[in-house]
Amino acid sequence: AQSVSQHNHHVILSEAASLELGCNYSYGGTVNLFWYVQYPGQHLQLLLKYFSGDPLVKGIKGFEAEFIKSKFSFNLRKPSVQWSDTAEYFCAVTLYNTDKLIFGTGTRLQVFP
Amino acid sequence: NAGVMQNPRHLVRRRGQEARLRCSPMKGHSHVYWYRQLPEEGLKFMVYLQKENIIDESGMPKERFSAEFPKEGPSILRIQQVVRGDSAAYFCASSPSAATEAFFGQGTRLTVV
Repeated sequence: AQSVSQHNHHVILSEAASLELGCNYSYGGTVNLFWYVQYPGQHLQLLLKYFSGDPLVKGIKGFEAEFIKSKFSFNLRKPSVQWSDTAEYFCAVTLYNTDKLIFGTGTRLQVFP
Repeated sequence: NAGVMQNPRHLVRRRGQEARLRCSPMKGHSHVYWYRQLPEEGLKFMVYLQKENIIDESGMPKERFSAEFPKEGPSILRIQQVVRGDSAAYFCASSPSAATEAFFGQGTRLTVV
């Protein structure tokens, strides 16, 4: 069955540290890839998306992600995190054969000043 | 352009009662997704609908749960004879077409007492 894996369940960083959150999916066909963020008590918001073209995608708030097709990965990165980045981050995939949007289990990021 | 509207935001039901969760998609969006979020478990896909059609309900329990997206009006997620284990946050998302970015509502937090 198709699935999305986020291996880091809980990440704790100090401000200014660099961030990389892993995301892998299991599907051999064409996919669209997304990262969403959920700040405490709020709904999910889109950080960035990849449909085609340049595999390095830049999103809002200084986030970026790189699609590596050979590794079925779409890792999220930020060079220097801020306290306000404390949130839960979800990777998601839409499969072209089903159009279903599937999410990973999420990674909780805590940034300490 | 109003975002995805979910109501109620909070819903308390006694065991055995029915819960009705409503989702009004963004204007022009004909695709609706429902997800359930439990603490530490991320977002679980429940059902994917287009106007008047259920496209994929593979994530929805066979008993007690149903969803619809009529030609006119909001999408409804109905849970009959609620049990304590149904307590969760239920999120709705809409998109203008298949395999594209989905926009999320604020969610309905269901508490079964």
